[in-house]
Amino acid sequence: SAVISQKPSRDICQRGTSLTIQCQVDSQVTMMFWYRQQPGQSLTLIATANQGSEATYESGFVIDKFPISRPNLTFSTLTVSNMSPEDSSIYLCSVEDEGRSKGQETQYFGPGTRLLVL
Amino acid sequence: QKEVEQNSGPLSVPEGAIASLNCTYSDRGSQSFFWYRQYSGKSPELIMFIYSNGDKEDGRFTAQLNKASQYVSLLIRDSQPSDSATYLCAVIAGNTGKLIFGQGTTLQVKP
Repeated sequence: SAVISQKPSRDICQRGTSLTIQCQVDSQVTMMFWYRQQPGQSLTLIATANQGSEATYESGFVIDKFPISRPNLTFSTLTVSNMSPEDSSIYLCSVEDEGRSKGQETQYFGPGTRLLVL
Repeated sequence: QKEVEQNSGPLSVPEGAIASLNCTYSDRGSQSFFWYRQYSGKSPELIMFIYSNGDKEDGRFTAQLNKASQYVSLLIRDSQPSDSATYLCAVIAGNTGKLIFGQGTTLQVKP
């Protein structure tokens, strides 16, 4: 599976500021995903980021709050804008294993970014 | 009804016992099923995937899928304290192709 890294690994931010999270993969991948995991909760998909096109956001998530870039096949960023304490979460990027058949896609996760908003 | 349901636990088993984790899903069109393990403070790690009805074994882990009953389970044989973690069931939804996670079951293996 691909090796995925994220920066920063954790941060403490003030209300009203923005944080950009980077996700780097050691191989080219078509599909990258951004998830949020709030304390004690499971994973919720924020958006799907494909290179060369606008990110596709899930219900409840909007581009103004979570702008995403995908400049190439190995890199993506997620920005959490105008943060509030409710944005305190773990943010995870994942990539899809492209060696599998349609309907058998497998996702692998990066180490996550732990964000605390004061 | 949640799309993917798991008992949040905690499920407590003694060391050496079999741990049985269960998951049900609502979308009959789902084709792919996954189990992720998540240690506290870490990201989810894929440990098993299954696509066909029946059992799939990998070391101490066995995934079981029953599409007619819409459930998938994970058995961990000879449980070890290092197996203590939250186990997340995930399903690729048939209609959207997106990976949907359950709430996770916390497993505690006591020495």
